Amino acid sequence: GQNIDQPTEMTATEGAIVQINCTYQTSGFNGLFWYQQHAGEAPTFLSYNVLDGLEEKGRFSSFLSRSKGYSYLLLKELQMKDSASYLCAVKDSNYQLIWGAGTKLIIKP
Amino acid sequence: GAVVSQHPSWVICKSGTSVKIECRSLDFQATTMFWYRQFPKQSLMLMATSNEGSKATYEQGVEKDKFLINHASLTLSTLTVTSAHPEDSSFYICSAREGPSGSARQYFGPGTRLTVT
Repeated sequence: GQNIDQPTEMTATEGAIVQINCTYQTSGFNGLFWYQQHAGEAPTFLSYNVLDGLEEKGRFSSFLSRSKGYSYLLLKELQMKDSASYLCAVKDSNYQLIWGAGTKLIIKP
Repeated sequence: GAVVSQHPSWVICKSGTSVKIECRSLDFQATTMFWYRQFPKQSLMLMATSNEGSKATYEQGVEKDKFLINHASLTLSTLTVTSAHPEDSSFYICSAREGPSGSARQYFGPGTRLTVT
């Protein structure tokens, strides 16, 4: 079956750096997405990786290793507004998005 | 970027009644739209995929006669929850894909919170 694993919850301090990991096992691979979702709101797009390596976008970076079925989202200079759930999703061979359960990130002052 | 709207943003209805949720792509033509449901503290669960002008494809376990999906135009899809029950209370989110290609990006609507009393 298809599976995406990410930690349920993480805690970090304002101003620090946090890395949220995601491992996946899917039937085919057509890209990996990271979304941010605040409570009661819909997900918003953060990043997209289809080739191995690091994609940097401001304070957020996303890394992909297809051979290892692994990705991480790196958040730098954490702000209180970064408290949210972070969802990892993979497009499989049918271009269907397979979603992880999300990682709830708690930022403490 | 592309914008997807949903209406209403929240709705409360009585058990046994039907509720219609609209999803619109505001500045692009959405060949494919997706409907998701999300229960508290859980991830998104795909309910169905709809292509403009054809019947929706429902995921396993989703009752097509209870969750009616219509995708009559390239900018509008509707989800009707028929004979709603309290267990249908959830956060419903639509997503639209620009263009027919499976590699195209999906844009999410803001979601509709349904509470059935």
